[in-house]
Amino acid sequence: EADIYQTPRYLVIGTGKKITLECSQTMGHDKMYWYQQDPGMELHLIHYSYGVNSTEKGDLSSESTVSRIRTEHFPLTLESARPSHTSQYLCASNLGGYNEQFFGPGTRLTVL
Amino acid sequence: AQKITQTQPGMFVQEKEAVTLDCTYDTSDQSYGLFWYKQPSSGEMIFLIYQGSYDEQNATEGRYSLNFQKARKSANLVISASQLGDSAMYFCAMREGPGNTPLVFGKGTRLSVIA
Repeated sequence: EADIYQTPRYLVIGTGKKITLECSQTMGHDKMYWYQQDPGMELHLIHYSYGVNSTEKGDLSSESTVSRIRTEHFPLTLESARPSHTSQYLCASNLGGYNEQFFGPGTRLTVL
Repeated sequence: AQKITQTQPGMFVQEKEAVTLDCTYDTSDQSYGLFWYKQPSSGEMIFLIYQGSYDEQNATEGRYSLNFQKARKSANLVISASQLGDSAMYFCAMREGPGNTPLVFGKGTRLSVIA
């Protein structure tokens, strides 16, 4: 069982609000990732981190930011939410190499 | 160019039959890893099976096996004895190089198992 957690699981907010999606893992993994996924569609990598104080942007242009101050914590922040941000956000981590990548349960975000 | 191609947007299979989900990949690296994940309607991502580029044997995990054809750059997932609970989205993914790059996913195949 994966020890990776995301909160909130569901979030409905109005346009213009600032939100932070939380992701934590207790496996001591250095590598963490954020993916955005519309229902039934492919996963798009938006941010990743290879360790504390390391963050990189992924393939999908995103108006979000991330931080990695602690190994176990990798929050995603939207400064000003828009309806186009409505999607599922999946957090993941792995030990590195070709080890299995574990996923959190996801946050389903709706911006009105 | 797409690194992972899944050409079957949707597939149907009869319960208890076997089904093959196609995946082709594109990389110039000699070292890479291939993964399959299942995503039920609940949304979680479930790891199914892994194949390393240097593995000589096809990977197997219970009812799942990976038909790895390196020269063709294909890594098809075979599910034997399909069950109703196998109905889900299935994603093929690849990690290139020494293993420190993010997983890249295909667009997925929606499998529906019919009773």
